Amino acid sequence: AQTVTQSQPEMSVQEAETVTLSCTYDTSESDYYLFWYKQPPSRQMILVIRQEAYKQQNATENRFSVNFQKAAKSFSLKISDSQLGDAAMYFCAYLHPSGNTPLVFGKGTRLSVIA
Amino acid sequence: DAGVIQSPRHEVTEMGQEVTLRCKPISGHNSLFWYRQTMMRGLELLIYFNNNVPIDDSGMPEDRFSAKMPNASFSTLKIQPSEPRDSAVYFCASTPQSGHRGRVPTEAFFGQGTRLTVV
Repeated sequence: AQTVTQSQPEMSVQEAETVTLSCTYDTSESDYYLFWYKQPPSRQMILVIRQEAYKQQNATENRFSVNFQKAAKSFSLKISDSQLGDAAMYFCAYLHPSGNTPLVFGKGTRLSVIA
Repeated sequence: DAGVIQSPRHEVTEMGQEVTLRCKPISGHNSLFWYRQTMMRGLELLIYFNNNVPIDDSGMPEDRFSAKMPNASFSTLKIQPSEPRDSAVYFCASTPQSGHRGRVPTEAFFGQGTRLTVV
């Protein structure tokens, strides 16, 4: 079974600085999908970024980018120019290539942004 | 589209009472997932449906939990009888069918969750 591990329960970053959240996963598949979700205090699960395993290029979305290391099964999220609104729980998630299966989530990293 | 709609947003009930959580997936989505979120366990999958058919309910904690999807636009998660340890946030999520007409698998779209407190 696939597993997702987020080894940092909590992280903090100064406003305007850069922070990297770690995620590792385990799978025997060669093709799959990876996601980072943000959960602010409102509880809403918001997709931040996605990465297809067959793509070598790292995904980017404005201030958010990933470092996808397929051989190492590592998928870290980098947040640049951190803003107060980035404070939230961040979840890394894995999706099997068939698609119609559940996302497998890590336990999350709580990010605090210090003004 | 209104997104995935869950009701109620908050529920407080007494131990032993029956609780029913409701979910309306996004129109056209073929897969529906129920997750439970707690501080200790994070996000746990309880059960999921493809085309209204339950596929995997191995995450359902015990017989007190049951879920149904009578049609493509509605699902319920029922707890009977409820216990204090069931207190959590319950999320419903849906996805469109992948592989259909070349559709690439996509992320799950989540409702806003139901915060359940059993006292």
